[in-house]
Amino acid sequence: GAGVSQSPRYKVAKRGQDVALRCDPISGHVSLFWYQQALGQGPEFLTYFQNEAQLDKSGLPSDRFFAERPEGSVSTLKIQRTQQEDSAVYLCASRQGARDEQYFGPGTRLTVT
Amino acid sequence: QKEVEQNSGPLSVPEGAIASLNCTYSDRGSQSFFWYRQYSGKSPELIMSIYSNGDKEDGRFTAQLNKASQYVSLLIRDSQPSDSATYLCAVNSNTGFQKLVFGTGTRLLVSP
Repeated sequence: GAGVSQSPRYKVAKRGQDVALRCDPISGHVSLFWYQQALGQGPEFLTYFQNEAQLDKSGLPSDRFFAERPEGSVSTLKIQRTQQEDSAVYLCASRQGARDEQYFGPGTRLTVT
Repeated sequence: QKEVEQNSGPLSVPEGAIASLNCTYSDRGSQSFFWYRQYSGKSPELIMSIYSNGDKEDGRFTAQLNKASQYVSLLIRDSQPSDSATYLCAVNSNTGFQKLVFGTGTRLLVSP
């Protein structure tokens, strides 16, 4: 079946621009996670949704970061007024149950110039 | 102390050898443990999950878990050049909604 998809795959933004990153999870997966991965590091948790409810946003680095999943399926991560330190790969993962494995999408590589 | 620690490597092994990758974690309440493989420029790909003490085998891969020592490892038998990648150890956080906490990864190089 189809895996997790993300778009765009690459995004170049000028400092101060707003960006929106989309994630389409595996069909039927209730849980959706966003992670940020800097070069040479492991992914770091940003936020978690169960259906449409955002139950944990403790990893969002600032109030410029906002995520939503209004219908419990597709999710959007929005970054306002991008800064150079926001340059990273943004990964989306979905999970079927509470103990099940998380499956990652291909990621969006964001470069802020 | 980092929550999940891995040696960054690179770990170099010849083709056909056994590669041994290690990971320690700090949260004693963690219940689920995962190994992901990440090729350069690609996203993490799940290769093994383990939930109870002992060994779990899947093809050329064996995951080993020792909760008392807070240690999890991955063995790759008959290593192939195509196994060359970064291997990420991930642990489910015992708090909140079981987000994954990752190590920084170990880079494995398998030479022909």
